[in-house]
Amino acid sequence: DTEVTQTPKHLVMGMTNKKSLKCEQHMGHRAMYWYKQKAKKPPELMFVYSYEKLSINESVPSRFSPECPNSSLLNLHLHALQPEDSALYLCASSQDNYGYTFGSGTRLTVV
Amino acid sequence: GESVGLHLPTLSVQEGDNSIINCAYSNSASDYFIWYKQESGKGPQFIIDIRSNMDKRQGQRVTVLLNKTVKHLSLQIAATQPGDSAVYFCAERNEGNNFNKFYFGSGTKLNVKP
Repeated sequence: DTEVTQTPKHLVMGMTNKKSLKCEQHMGHRAMYWYKQKAKKPPELMFVYSYEKLSINESVPSRFSPECPNSSLLNLHLHALQPEDSALYLCASSQDNYGYTFGSGTRLTVV
Repeated sequence: GESVGLHLPTLSVQEGDNSIINCAYSNSASDYFIWYKQESGKGPQFIIDIRSNMDKRQGQRVTVLLNKTVKHLSLQIAATQPGDSAVYFCAERNEGNNFNKFYFGSGTKLNVKP
């Protein structure tokens, strides 16, 4: 299995909702990442988990809450989002500090 | 943050021609670079990488060239096909961060005309 799987593929949520994005990989990668990508822009790093511990938080607002339950899973919990948070949220994983494997992303729309 | 930019935001080529996508980076300490292809509605797909101790690396129909003197990276695609149409990003890593953290360039859109 050489894939990063993200669910759901599309999500529409209201500003008062709580939702979660999920990411899963079975490549034995020990680093996992969340990126945010707006239209026609490059991916922007949000969080890095290394060996299931949060190692980087790129000053992301607290309405985004990451969680790494185990080495294969990565969640992003969403609460009280704003319309400007609408974007493609990408998960990635890597091993040995070289290369990333990206998932296909979750297209999030906040209404 | 780091600055990774591209000279051409959009590149149009004829099918069968060779394509060259360029990328400039600003951090001379960057030690590893990756080119990604992103098709509409999909996540970035790894194409090829190169470490800073190399000047050139070849893959299937793709070649990456690294010029550390002028901090320039290029991706060459041979015999460009319609399926190559996508946005291409370069990404650099600065190992001084001590983490697996990459900075992405602004992207070049490649249009392949049949």
